Order: sequence, then C-alpha cells, then structure tokens
Amino acid sequence: DQQVKQNSPSLSVQEGRISILNCDYTNSMFDYFLWYKKYPAEGPTFLISISSIKDKNEDGRFTVFLNKSAKHLSLHIVPSQPGDSAVYFCAASVTLTGGFKTIFGAGTRLFVKA
Amino acid sequence: GAGVSQSPSNKVTEKGKDVELRCDPISGHTALYWYRQSLGQGLEFLIYFQGNSAPDKSGLPSDRFSAERTGGSVSTLTIQRTQQEDSAVYLCASSLVSWNEQFFGPGTRLTVL
Repeated sequence: DQQVKQNSPSLSVQEGRISILNCDYTNSMFDYFLWYKKYPAEGPTFLISISSIKDKNEDGRFTVFLNKSAKHLSLHIVPSQPGDSAVYFCAASVTLTGGFKTIFGAGTRLFVKA
Repeated sequence: GAGVSQSPSNKVTEKGKDVELRCDPISGHTALYWYRQSLGQGLEFLIYFQGNSAPDKSGLPSDRFSAERTGGSVSTLTIQRTQQEDSAVYLCASSLVSWNEQFFGPGTRLTVL
C-alpha cells in the first residue's frame, strides 16, 4: 500500500522551461511534506519543505504547492537548468505519539536538456 | 563543515553472515535516521533516534535488523543472518530538529551473495 505516490518515473524538460514534479498521498494525517534531490552515488539532499497549514512555499527557483483537499503536492522548478537533472523524492511525515514516520515516494527522474 | 559520514561505502557479504553499518551524524544533530533504498524502489524508513529517547523501530523489516546509537552520536545498524533481499543502499541521515531538513550521508551499498 503506497501512501506516497510519484506516478511519473521520469520527466524530460528543455532548459529554461518549467519542470513540474507531482506527488499524491493517501493519509490525511500527514502534517509535513518534503522534497529531496538525489544525484547518482550520493545521498539525497533536502530541497524544500512545506507544512500542512500552508499551501505554498517558495525558495529561489523552487516552489512547492500543497492541495490538501486533493492530497496532492507539486514541485515547480523555473527556470530549469541542466544541473537540476537528478531523481526527486517526495516525502510525507506524520507525527505520532513519541515519534514520527516519514514515507517516501519512489522518485521521479528529471532530465533537463540543454 | 563535515556532513554525515557512513562506512563502509561498499560491503559484499555471503548469505547468512552478519554485517554492521556505521553512521557518523553531523555534530550537534540530535535526530538520526536509517533508510534503505532497494533497486528501483523509493527510500524506505527503517528506524529513528531522537536524543536519548527510545528509538522508533517501527520500520525495521524483521528482527534480524537492529540499531543502536551510542552516546547520542554514532549509530550502528546491524543485520544478522543476511539474506539476498537485504541487498540495498543503506542511507543514514541526521537533523537538528526532528524530521525537518534531514541531511543524508552517501550511503553504504550492501550486496548479499
């Protein structure tokens, strides 16, 4: 049972255009969402996050949108650059008694063509 | 500054042997996490340590897996009687605040023959 789904395994975008990476979740108890970027042979790198009380968070070229009613979030990268080519993981966290749990999606591989 | 380090970077072992994977978190980070990524799969949460509290072991796939964190710093993930399905990249992360902005290490690639 995948609680966090990234339905597009890959995405190809032209340099300078917008990249939109999508993520769907099923558990309405998730209260924090994060995006990570991963290059080959390296660990994931934190990119941007959003609390469930917000619907948008922006950091430079990266913006995350959260639609709680649709249980959907998206990461927008604009303008896209070749160095953005990587695997992007969506993650959702739920606070539990005495701890928390983070669930990751399977990732979307982004190719930015020069 | 120094990031999260993990050792070894690669480990090849025979089925049935025990392995220990080590993680050195960023100094001062109170939260430490272990994940694994199997081929073609997303990141799977394994275990979480927060300060001196008892760890959240809810993600450990079987009782062959255990982890400890000594002195609130270095952590060791132990897999006993390894199986071929244990082959994966094991990632460690740490954060200053629980689950917020986790910093990941490069991972240990475990191959069980």
